[in-house]
Amino acid sequence: AQKVTQAQTEISVVEKEDVTLDCVYETRDTTYYLFWYKQPPSGELVFLIRRNSFDEQNEISGRYSWNFQKSTSSFNFTITASQVVDSAVYFCALSTGNQFYFGTGTSLTVIP
Amino acid sequence: EAGVAQSPRYKIIEKRQSVAFWCNPISGHATLYWYQQILGQGPKLLIQFQNNGVVDDSQLPKDRFSAERLKGVDSTLKIQPAKLEDSAVYLCASSLENSGVAYNEQFFGPGTRLTVL
Repeated sequence: AQKVTQAQTEISVVEKEDVTLDCVYETRDTTYYLFWYKQPPSGELVFLIRRNSFDEQNEISGRYSWNFQKSTSSFNFTITASQVVDSAVYFCALSTGNQFYFGTGTSLTVIP
Repeated sequence: EAGVAQSPRYKIIEKRQSVAFWCNPISGHATLYWYQQILGQGPKLLIQFQNNGVVDDSQLPKDRFSAERLKGVDSTLKIQPAKLEDSAVYLCASSLENSGVAYNEQFFGPGTRLTVL
C-alpha cells in the first residue's frame, strides 16, 4: 500500500531559525515521484519540488533544501533562515502510476 | 497566464440535497484532477481525467459522486445526495502531462468549500 506520513502536525519557530519538515513514504513500486506543496492561508496549493525515485541528489533552491534518502524512505524539507511568509501548511506527496497520495500536512508558524 | 478557475467558492446545502462544482483548467493542460480535502487532512484524489477520458476514479464514491469532462476542457463534479461527511474543500488541479502518470507539477485552483448541514 502507498502511504505518506508527516508526523509533525504543527511546528512553530522564531523568524530566522532553520526548520526541517519530515516526510516518510511507503511504496513497493520502483518508479515513483515525490513532491512538496505549500498551502498558504489563502488555500491554493503551490508546487515546490518534484523528485523521481532514481534521483537521490539533494537539491537547494534559495532558502529551501530537500534531502531524499531511499534507504530510509524519507524526503525531508528544510527552510533556512525562516521568514514570516513561510507560514503555511506544507504537504509531502507521492505519485505512483495514476495515483497521487498526500500526507496530512505540517502546519508551520513563523513567529516574528 | 490564467490559473485554474473554480466556482462557486463557497456552498452551503442541507443533507440529501444535490450540488455541483465547476472547474476550468489552465489552457492546454491535458490532465485534470479533482481532490477532496477534509479539514485538517491532506487532499485525497477522487478522479483523474486525461483529455475527456477517465484515467482513475478508484477513490470516487460512485453511489453519490459523479464527474465529467466534456470536450476535454471544463469539468463538473456532482454530489447527489450530499451527506454530512461530504463537508470539505473540493480542489481542482490540472497538469500538462499526457501519459496517465502523475509526475508533472499540478496547478491548483482556489477550491470550493462545501458545508453540508
